[in-house]
Amino acid sequence: KNQVEQSPQSLIILEGKNCTLQCNYTVSPFSNLRWYKQDTGRGPVSLTIMTFSENTKSNGRYTATLDADTKQSSLHITASQLSDSASYICVHTGGFKTIFGAGTRLFVKA
Amino acid sequence: EPEVTQTPSHQVTQMGQEVILRCVPISNHLYFYWYRQILGQKVEFLVSFYNNEISEKSEIFDDQFSVERPDGSNFTLKIRSTKLEDSAMYFCASSLGFSGDGNTIYFGEGSWLTVV
Repeated sequence: KNQVEQSPQSLIILEGKNCTLQCNYTVSPFSNLRWYKQDTGRGPVSLTIMTFSENTKSNGRYTATLDADTKQSSLHITASQLSDSASYICVHTGGFKTIFGAGTRLFVKA
Repeated sequence: EPEVTQTPSHQVTQMGQEVILRCVPISNHLYFYWYRQILGQKVEFLVSFYNNEISEKSEIFDDQFSVERPDGSNFTLKIRSTKLEDSAMYFCASSLGFSGDGNTIYFGEGSWLTVV
């Protein structure tokens, strides 16, 4: 079954700390994997896009990794800020399979 | 920075009524999409549109849904006879090229539909 699963479901961290969000995918054939940030009531905003041949990609304080062998991806957030509080969604897009994960709800506290 | 714009931002409609949600994709983009997100649930893909025709649709996109690009700038989603379970945030999105090639998909801010 084609699906994208994320963990944890929610996470609370202190401002300035780092965190890592996980995504496991079982999609075949694989096309590309994306991470989005979604603020409550807003549209998702693209953070990173990775194709099969890419292992890591950075966008400012966000670094995504992809392990095609284990079918896992992670999103690492460095030096978190209050504005990082949002849902982070892992998505497989491309071909005929656009599949969203349920997201990880991140709360950054002062 | 160019953005995808959607109207209305919020609409309340009675069950059984027709609804049209409107979107203006980024002007030079060629691929257009609709997604929905029921409150508290994950985003779900509805349909993609390219070259004036549907290129992909999900099981959710049944006969009560239709999309249209009536002119060079607008992209609409029509729900013919709304049901209570159609209440959701509907996101329009666009990309310059095919999403499978790694093109960034830009989302609008959404249209919140409430069916009563």
